Amino acid sequence: GQNIDQPTEMTATEGAIVQINCTYQTSGFNGLFWYQQHAGEAPTFLSYNVLDGLEEKGRFSSFLSRSKGYSYLLLKELQMKDSASYLCAVRSSSNDYKLSFGAGTTVTVRA
Amino acid sequence: DSGVTQTPKHLITATGQRVTLRCSPRSGDLSVYWYQQSLDQGLQFLIQYYNGEERAKGNILERFSAQQFPDLHSELNLSSLELGDSALYFCASSVDRGYNEQFFGPGTRLTVL
Repeated sequence: GQNIDQPTEMTATEGAIVQINCTYQTSGFNGLFWYQQHAGEAPTFLSYNVLDGLEEKGRFSSFLSRSKGYSYLLLKELQMKDSASYLCAVRSSSNDYKLSFGAGTTVTVRA
Repeated sequence: DSGVTQTPKHLITATGQRVTLRCSPRSGDLSVYWYQQSLDQGLQFLIQYYNGEERAKGNILERFSAQQFPDLHSELNLSSLELGDSALYFCASSVDRGYNEQFFGPGTRLTVL
């Protein structure tokens, strides 16, 4: 089975940095994704990691350690529009592309 | 706009009824995925179709079924509806190569009364 854990909620101040952790235990591993989802809207892709290390994309960075089953999403220079749910998802099979999602972390950015 | 379209946007129906949700993938995408998102369950993978054939199955109830047509649009059929089926149903599409980012449609909000 798949087990993907991430904190339920986080709060941070505008301009600050927030780190959202994700740990996973899956039957296989073929990549980890982070998606952003505003309330009532569709998830949108943020980042992808398949090798260990840090991937940077503007204000967002994502890190992966496959040996530890661990990833984090780092949001820098927080803006009010970053208030959303952040979903960690794992692709576990090499035969299909389906994703298993964590429950999501709701980030609230305060002025 | 992801390029994935879903209809209807909202659906309100009664227990025991049957509904059909429709999805059109992005141009060129052969894969369609269906997900269910409820408040207490998060985003759950239901089923994937690739070029008309079922490729992967998740926690999809027997009361639910799906298909992908030759023009690549897909339909998710939900029957004998229960209160607990109330949720957001998302369709996503992808090309099924490379790292394979999935593009999500706007979703259909189903309310079962």
